[in-house]
Amino acid sequence: EAQVTQNPRYLITVTGKKLTVTCSQNMNHEYMSWYRQDPGLGLRQIYYSMNVEVTDKGDVPEGYKVSRKEKRNFPLILESPSPNQTSLYFCASSLRSGSYNSPLHFGNGTRLTVT
Amino acid sequence: RKEVEQDPGPFNVPEGATVAFNCTYSNSASQSFFWYRQDCRKEPKLLMSVYSSGNEDGRFTAQLNRASQYISLLIRDSKLSDSATYLCVVNDRGGSQGNLIFGKGTKLSVKP
Repeated sequence: EAQVTQNPRYLITVTGKKLTVTCSQNMNHEYMSWYRQDPGLGLRQIYYSMNVEVTDKGDVPEGYKVSRKEKRNFPLILESPSPNQTSLYFCASSLRSGSYNSPLHFGNGTRLTVT
Repeated sequence: RKEVEQDPGPFNVPEGATVAFNCTYSNSASQSFFWYRQDCRKEPKLLMSVYSSGNEDGRFTAQLNRASQYISLLIRDSKLSDSATYLCVVNDRGGSQGNLIFGKGTKLSVKP
């Protein structure tokens, strides 16, 4: 089944403890992206990647890192999480960004709480 | 900064009503436009793409007005199951590539 898989679904951690949220897609998509969603603020883009080894900052990259060593994986890394990073996170992918023939496919989301 | 603006709502409508949402975008070079639907605490899913000539999918009609830089979504004969947040999405540069920018969404609540 074609899908975007995020793990974990739920995560509670403490300030400063490094964590990684994994994202994997099995559709050979070039484009991948991370978003966070907070009440009243909508979906805000953290980082995106147009292809392997190419990553760019989105609107809210501070406090996050990403890597795209392989086409299928796009992990989100929080080196030193802080409470303001408590949010619902979505990973998404598409064959190509912005193309009518390749809509974004989203993972199920990761609800992160940093205490 | 490229912007995509939507009325947050909520739009509270009775079953069977017709409801329309608009979305404005700031980048005149944008070429690709979409409406996504998001149910509470779930991932967004593509509802429909928006083509230059306008397009229809069952009860849903999408229109693009390049001159005024807005897209619209019309829902006819609203169903309870249409209750969701509708997200306007635009690519941020000319051509078919580019990064996708999301609006904050318009919340629709269809009541019996």
